Amino acid sequence: DVQLVESGGGIVQPGRSLRLSCAVSGFPFHGYAMHWLRHAPGKGLEWVAGITSDSENKDYADSVKGRFTVSRDNAKNSLYLQMNSLRVDDTAFYYCAKDIGDQWLMFDHWGQGALVTVSS
Amino acid sequence: EIVLTQSPATLSLSPGETATLSCRASQSVGHYLAWYQHKPGQAPRLLIYDASYRATGIPARFSAGGSGTDFTLTISALEPEDFAVYYCQQRTKWPLLSFGGGTKVEIK
Repeated sequence: DVQLVESGGGIVQPGRSLRLSCAVSGFPFHGYAMHWLRHAPGKGLEWVAGITSDSENKDYADSVKGRFTVSRDNAKNSLYLQMNSLRVDDTAFYYCAKDIGDQWLMFDHWGQGALVTVSS
Repeated sequence: EIVLTQSPATLSLSPGETATLSCRASQSVGHYLAWYQHKPGQAPRLLIYDASYRATGIPARFSAGGSGTDFTLTISALEPEDFAVYYCQQRTKWPLLSFGGGTKVEIK
């Protein structure tokens, strides 16, 4: 079975940093692009960042560009999101998600989510 | 940026009825459209990809179609577990994608 398990969420003050991890199993991780998406309270789904299978391409939503960094370790079947300069409006459930292919940009498996709360 | 507009915002129906959800794109997305189901406290679930293909394990009561700018998701004979929020999502090419605002299907 495909499994994606996020960790690293929590409560953090504005301006501080947090690192999310996503441990993956059940499929050949090295063959697929991976993504981070989020769902803020009262809002819709938002794509945050994506990384291709070989880490050659990494891209970000405008709302997080310059503050967040996505990375992966194919040897460890793990995906990461380093979040710096956090803002109150970054508060959301953060999901890691598997791409259908390497750059298909549709998401066929999702983790259960990690809650990030940015508050003073 | 391609904007997706979903309608209606809320659909109030009874179990056994049919739900018809609409997603309209501000410019053509070809057939590159997906539909997701999202329940509170759960991971979103891919229902449909490439406009009309059911994802693995999705029941046949979920069907979808459309191309270009107008797309529809139909849920026939609503089951109690189908009451949720549904999102459409388009992609053009890496890294350009966007989600619609969602349609909530609630129990009448």
